[in-house]
Amino acid sequence: QKEVEQDPGPLSVPEGAIVSLNCTYSNSAFQYFMWYRQYSRKGPELLMYTYSSGNKEDGRFTAQVDKSSKYISLFIRDSQPSDSATYLCAKGGDYGGSQGNLIFGKGTKLSVKP
Amino acid sequence: NAGVMQNPRHLVRRRGQEARLRCSPMKGHSHVYWYRQLPEEGLKFMVYLQKENIIDESGMPKERFSAEFPKEGPSILRIQQVVRGDSAAYFCASSPFRSGLAGGDEQFFGPGTRLTVL
Repeated sequence: QKEVEQDPGPLSVPEGAIVSLNCTYSNSAFQYFMWYRQYSRKGPELLMYTYSSGNKEDGRFTAQVDKSSKYISLFIRDSQPSDSATYLCAKGGDYGGSQGNLIFGKGTKLSVKP
Repeated sequence: NAGVMQNPRHLVRRRGQEARLRCSPMKGHSHVYWYRQLPEEGLKFMVYLQKENIIDESGMPKERFSAEFPKEGPSILRIQQVVRGDSAAYFCASSPFRSGLAGGDEQFFGPGTRLTVL
C-alpha cells in the first residue's frame, strides 16, 4: 500500500468553480502536510503547510486535514485559468523516519477552462 | 531573496558518461534535499544533506549515485555511467533549520535539472 494516494485526474472545471483535491495516507506517524502546485516543466511551488487537524485558509486556498480518517484536502475557490497545474500533496516528519523526508502523492492535474 | 538555484536546467548525456547536477539553497538555508521525478511518477526522495554531512541517503540507488554538500559552494548530485533509465527531472529543495520541530521544515524547490540520456 502506497503511503500517499492521490487521484491523478485529469480534473477539468469551468472558471469560477470550487475545486476539491484530495489525498489519503496510510501511516499515522506523521507531523505535517504540504500542498504544492507544479506548472508544466517547472519546480513545485509550496502553497500550504499544515500541522494539525482542521482547516487552514490562505486567500482562495483552504487546506483541510482529517487525522481520524487520514484524509487531506485542498479547496480552491473562484478557480482561475492560471490555477491550471498539477497539485501535489506531501506528508513528512514520520517518527522514526528521516527528518524532512517528504513523501509525495503522484499529483492531480487540474485544468480550469475560461 | 533569490530562491533555490539549480544548474544546468537541461543536461544531455550519452550512456556511460557522468552527470553533475548543482544546487544552491536559498540564503540562510542549511538543509538540502534531492528528489527525482520520472515521467508519470511522483517526486521521490533521494538524499538529505546538511553542510559536509549526509543525513539520510535512503532513497539513493546503491550504485553510481552520490551527493555532497561541501562547506563552501553548492550541493552536487553526481551520477556516474549514466543509463537511459536515469533520464528524469531532478529537483533540489532547501529548508531553514527549525529547532524543536523534528522534520517540520518547509521545503522550497528549485526549477529542476532535466537530464536526458541518449
